[in-house]
Amino acid sequence: GQQLNQSPQSMFIQEGEDVSMNCTSSSIFNTWLWYKQDPGEGPVLLIALYKAGELTSNGRLTAQFGITRKDSFLNISASIPSDVGIYFCAGPDSGGGADGLTFGKGTHLIIQP
Amino acid sequence: DAGITQSPRHKVTETGTPVTLRCHQTENHRYMYWYRQDPGHGLRLIHYSYGVKDTDKGEVSDGYSVSRSKTEDFLLTLESATSSQTSVYFCAISERREAGEQFFGPGTRLTVL
Repeated sequence: GQQLNQSPQSMFIQEGEDVSMNCTSSSIFNTWLWYKQDPGEGPVLLIALYKAGELTSNGRLTAQFGITRKDSFLNISASIPSDVGIYFCAGPDSGGGADGLTFGKGTHLIIQP
Repeated sequence: DAGITQSPRHKVTETGTPVTLRCHQTENHRYMYWYRQDPGHGLRLIHYSYGVKDTDKGEVSDGYSVSRSKTEDFLLTLESATSSQTSVYFCAISERREAGEQFFGPGTRLTVL
């Protein structure tokens, strides 16, 4: 099946710093999704991308759909303590969505005081 | 937040016993999914449903069955639980197949002793 590679696996940053993480695939995705998961909770959808080259923002978060359709990145500006969590990229398995999502293994964001 | 509840939220059971997890939605979304989340594997699709009584297998369906007799409920059954099925189980819902966007419930932590 399709695989998504996320990097870095974990990030240790200071409050106020900007964060950048990315996701790559060996196959083309028609949709890229970014989720955040807090401990003990389910993933929450942050941003959805539908077109190659698309750049979308949600507050301090910005995500881009790569031109090749094989990658995406997520940036967080001016990080705050509530940004701590695990960030996942995901895409529809067969391009249609009903067959479920393929997830990356996540980037664990840790903010040091 | 999407109206998705899962029950129970925590369960401890013994090897060989049957277990049923319930997902209930109030959004009237057509598509429903069951995932499991394990360290090192991320989220993996178990089964999904594209309508009442219409279900199909996902990536890791062995040892699991599902049923959907009403739009709002999607049940996941472990006929004879094994220790390898110790995991956190998430239900997700989606309104449109093409978009790929899925919204997740809070999860059920299952421990099989």
